[in-house]
Amino acid sequence: ELKVEQNPLFLSMQEGKNYTIYCNYSTTSDRLYWYRQDPGKSLESLFVLLSNGAVKQEGRLMASLDTKARLSTLHITAAVHDLSATYFCAAGYSGAGSYQLTFGKGTKLSVIP
Amino acid sequence: GAGVSQSPSNKVTEKGKDVELRCDPISGHTALYWYRQSLGQGLEFLIYFQGNSAPDKSGLPSDRFSAERTGGSVSTLTIQRTQQEDSAVYLCASSGGRLSYEQYFGPGTRLTVT
Repeated sequence: ELKVEQNPLFLSMQEGKNYTIYCNYSTTSDRLYWYRQDPGKSLESLFVLLSNGAVKQEGRLMASLDTKARLSTLHITAAVHDLSATYFCAAGYSGAGSYQLTFGKGTKLSVIP
Repeated sequence: GAGVSQSPSNKVTEKGKDVELRCDPISGHTALYWYRQSLGQGLEFLIYFQGNSAPDKSGLPSDRFSAERTGGSVSTLTIQRTQQEDSAVYLCASSGGRLSYEQYFGPGTRLTVT
């Protein structure tokens, strides 16, 4: 059974600071997803990482994937208040004609002025 | 183009009643997923449809839950004899096309069982 562990679950950081959210998964996964969720809203796709060593960047967010370590990271550079949200990672699993995502518990990020 | 839509956006029902939740995927997307988001359990996979293949129902929590997808497009998730623990946000996602691995989520249906 694929399990996804995300940490920290809560993160309070000052504007301008850098921080990293970690996502570990327990067994082989073919894709790693990062989503953002604002309160009362649905999930917004940030990144999909497809292979070992993949790195993707969008604005102040950068995601990377190490399939050997079964670890993905989401790095936040020079945080701004607009980044306050909950961030989820999810590992994709394909098998027996099906495909599903297993999500981490989410990291609630608060960026303080 | 339109994204994934879901209806209703909110549903309040009495314990023991049946409810139907609807999902309209992005046009042309062959894969459709239902997930549930609750405070206690986080985000959980419920069911997966791909084209005309038999769905993967392995995530459905009990036999009170069922889902169908008509004509390879619209999907309905039905919960019979609702219980308070069914209260959650039910999210639908679809994928397909050039970026077949991207899952696009709808706004969700917030279900409250009183």
